[in-house]
Amino acid sequence: DTAVSQTPKYLVTQMGNDKSIKCEQNLGHDTMYWYKQDSKKFLKIMFSYNNKELIINETVPNRFSPKSPDKAHLNLHINSLELGDSAVYFCASSPTGTGNTGELFFGEGSRLTVL
Amino acid sequence: GNSVTQMEGPVTLSEEAFLTINCTYTATGYPSLFWYVQYPGEGLQLLLKATKADDKGSNKGFEATYRKETTSFHLEKGSVQVSDSAVYFCALRSAAGNKLTFGGGTRVLVKP
Repeated sequence: DTAVSQTPKYLVTQMGNDKSIKCEQNLGHDTMYWYKQDSKKFLKIMFSYNNKELIINETVPNRFSPKSPDKAHLNLHINSLELGDSAVYFCASSPTGTGNTGELFFGEGSRLTVL
Repeated sequence: GNSVTQMEGPVTLSEEAFLTINCTYTATGYPSLFWYVQYPGEGLQLLLKATKADDKGSNKGFEATYRKETTSFHLEKGSVQVSDSAVYFCALRSAAGNKLTFGGGTRVLVKP
């Protein structure tokens, strides 16, 4: 009955590889997000989708490409991984319209380590 | 643009001590303000929130009051427990926006 689930939870890979992180929410929310948390715990938004449409695209390298096949899923694909991509990536979701209280519901995070 | 500044940690306390974590913000209009907590190895979860000036959010013994005159939303708890050890994030959501802007997080360690 997990609300926002991400896979994998841990990912260790070599520089230059391509990897994906998947996210699914069963809360019926319309909006999903990807946040990056660096080693100092600083959280920065990367992308947001509303009903499969991209609505927020912060200054993120083109190597990062989100994909939302439906409003319950938002996947993150990263090409040509670099050392600086090592971080914990959090997926989140929120309702829109009258149900939107501003609260985000977060997944448990995916820790990416690039060697 | 919007920004949130909170005190740097770590903050180390003994059990039953009083906890304050300062948070100030910069935003246009009237944002909503939040405190999120991240326990070790977990994602963030909402602790409390306030949506307008002078509102007080409270949960699990934690409180924070939306002070527009000082653009602050300081988090307080009168008597902390070891289980309160976590990273605490202050955040804001502007009235016009649909994203949360987070502060840098404050790690709190409560020792028995």
